[in-house]
Amino acid sequence: QLQLQESGPGLVKPSETLSLTCTVSGASISGSSYYWGWIRQPPGQGLEWIGKIYYSGSTYYSTSLKSRVTISVDTSRNHFSLKVSSVTAADTAVYYCARQALVETPDSWGQGTLVTVSS
Amino acid sequence: QSVLTQPPSASGTPGQRVTISCSGSSSNIGSNYVSWYQQLPGTAPKLLIYRNTQRPSGVPDRFSGSKSGTSASLAISGLRSEDEAEYYCAAWDDSVRGPSVVFGGGTKLTVL
Repeated sequence: QLQLQESGPGLVKPSETLSLTCTVSGASISGSSYYWGWIRQPPGQGLEWIGKIYYSGSTYYSTSLKSRVTISVDTSRNHFSLKVSSVTAADTAVYYCARQALVETPDSWGQGTLVTVSS
Repeated sequence: QSVLTQPPSASGTPGQRVTISCSGSSSNIGSNYVSWYQQLPGTAPKLLIYRNTQRPSGVPDRFSGSKSGTSASLAISGLRSEDEAEYYCAAWDDSVRGPSVVFGGGTKLTVL
């Protein structure tokens, strides 16, 4: 059964880089035709798609976040990662990793991890 | 401001049928599949409907989806107290600004 688990610091200082990893179990990142992506949800607000990556390294990013976001993949460890640079309080959110097909929406989600941006 | 438009709230009594609407444009709902998610407080969104009308294994048939043109709807029949949650619609968007997943702002469903 597919499981995704986010991990990383829960507190990041303003202007620094937020880094999270999503470990996939129950499926091989490189063994399927799915993309692997990130979505975030600020406290009390709606969902915002961040981007996704294929095992080959091909990526799609949200236009609004593209300049600050990097998504990478490590097929040997069966995990993928998110970096958001120059963070501000507006980047405080629960970050979810998820699986999604090419032109479809996420189907399986991780449980999410809260990242707070504060000094 | 979300790309897809949903009513902020909906309500119904146990046993009733309620519908939640989702409005988009030709670059998202008009040309791609729509999904619906249920989010209970403190939990991750759960896929309820995919490819406009399909239910993942384990989702009760009380939940159904439909799509027409640039709009979609989620219907919940035989409303139950455990259906009280936030519901989001989503779709792939082929915008010239750059392809992405777009979400509705969410609809808070209250079971009276």
